[in-house]
Amino acid sequence: GQQLNQSPQSMFIQEGEDVSMNCTSSSIFNTWLWYKQDPGEGPVLLIALYKAGELTSNGRLTAQFGITRKDSFLNISASIPSDVGIYFCAGQTPRDDKIIFGKGTRLHILP
Amino acid sequence: DVKVTQSSRYLVKRTGEKVFLECVQDMDHENMFWYRQDPGLGLRLIYFSYDVKMKEKGDIPEGYSVSREKKERFSLILESASTNQTSMYLCASSVDRVDSGYTFGSGTRLTVV
Repeated sequence: GQQLNQSPQSMFIQEGEDVSMNCTSSSIFNTWLWYKQDPGEGPVLLIALYKAGELTSNGRLTAQFGITRKDSFLNISASIPSDVGIYFCAGQTPRDDKIIFGKGTRLHILP
Repeated sequence: DVKVTQSSRYLVKRTGEKVFLECVQDMDHENMFWYRQDPGLGLRLIYFSYDVKMKEKGDIPEGYSVSREKKERFSLILESASTNQTSMYLCASSVDRVDSGYTFGSGTRLTVV
């Protein structure tokens, strides 16, 4: 079946740094979604992307739907302590509209 | 504010017990899902439902069953709990199959001893 490769698996950064993470696949997707999971909570939708090439921002977050429809990235600018958590990408498959999740990127912010 | 509510945040059960995990959504969503989350494995789909009394197997249905008697409630059942079912279980719902993200509950951390 279709799979998403999300990288990096984890990141350790200093407060104030910018962050970049991405998801790639060998298959195309109709929709890309980015979620954040705070410790002890369920994932919350951050950004949804619906068209190839689309670039969308949500505050300090920016995400793009790759032109090939096989990848997406998420950038976080000027990280703050509350950005800590696990970030998941997810893609909606064109064949059956199912949503497939990446394995997540765990973001740690060093004091 | 829309909500997906999972009945328990933490559960400890014994091997062999029958376990029920309950999920209720107040958004009149058609679709509901059960995932389990394990370190390094991400979110894996167990079962899902697109309508009342309808259910479909996800990627890892073995050892689980589900029940959807009412639109707002989707129950996950572990027929005979085993230690390898110790995990975080997440319920989610969505309004349609296309172009919509999922709303997740806060999760139930199940430990089977």
